Amino acid sequence: DIVTTQSPLSLSVTPGEPASISCRSSENLLHTNGHYYLGWYLQKPGQSPQILIYSASNRASGVPDRFSGSGSGTDFTLTISRVEAEDVGVYYCMPALKTPHTFGPGTKVDIK
Amino acid sequence: QVQLQQSGPGLVKPSQTLSLTCAISGDSVSSDFAWNWIRQSPSRGLEWLGRTYYRSTWYNEYAVSVKSRISVNPDTSKNHFSLQLNSVTPEDTAVYYCARWHHYDRYFDSWGQGTLVTVSS
Repeated sequence: DIVTTQSPLSLSVTPGEPASISCRSSENLLHTNGHYYLGWYLQKPGQSPQILIYSASNRASGVPDRFSGSGSGTDFTLTISRVEAEDVGVYYCMPALKTPHTFGPGTKVDIK
Repeated sequence: QVQLQQSGPGLVKPSQTLSLTCAISGDSVSSDFAWNWIRQSPSRGLEWLGRTYYRSTWYNEYAVSVKSRISVNPDTSKNHFSLQLNSVTPEDTAVYYCARWHHYDRYFDSWGQGTLVTVSS
């Protein structure tokens, strides 16, 4: 199974400042079609997870453009250009190349 | 817009069967998507359990950790899918989610509201 790590595991951010979360997969997530299959999800307090980024760098429908994803191979990054109060929650990355789907441990983001 | 509505008991006794249902609106269980169950606990984090999907016939995939105890089944007449987990123990206590998997772009695009299931006598 793919093993996924994230760093940091917690992050306290001043509103308006940028934030970045790193995700590392134990396997290369490049598909033969040229896409990297890695997703980023946000679980806001008391809610179900929601998709932010798919295929490493594609914003899901309705996701603000302050969220962006990058990376290749085994190393990926989620960047929030200017954190807002509504961005608090736990961020998970999840390799999507194959089953079983294994989520990262999560990065808890709160506001200073 | 698809919506997933979960139902089922919140308390199950050890050794018994956990049963949950996920009702689909705005899509069909026989569509191109895959229909999944995922659980979340403090000890295990988010854990994918299994899924069912239709590609001219029905397929299932299960996590190795629960493969001997799990069944995910579609019901086309009711447009829902279900989870059955047999022989539960307190370690199966978790919030259980159903979720739709976008087959081509490979992500969970819709989630149910979550059901806390406690395994206790």
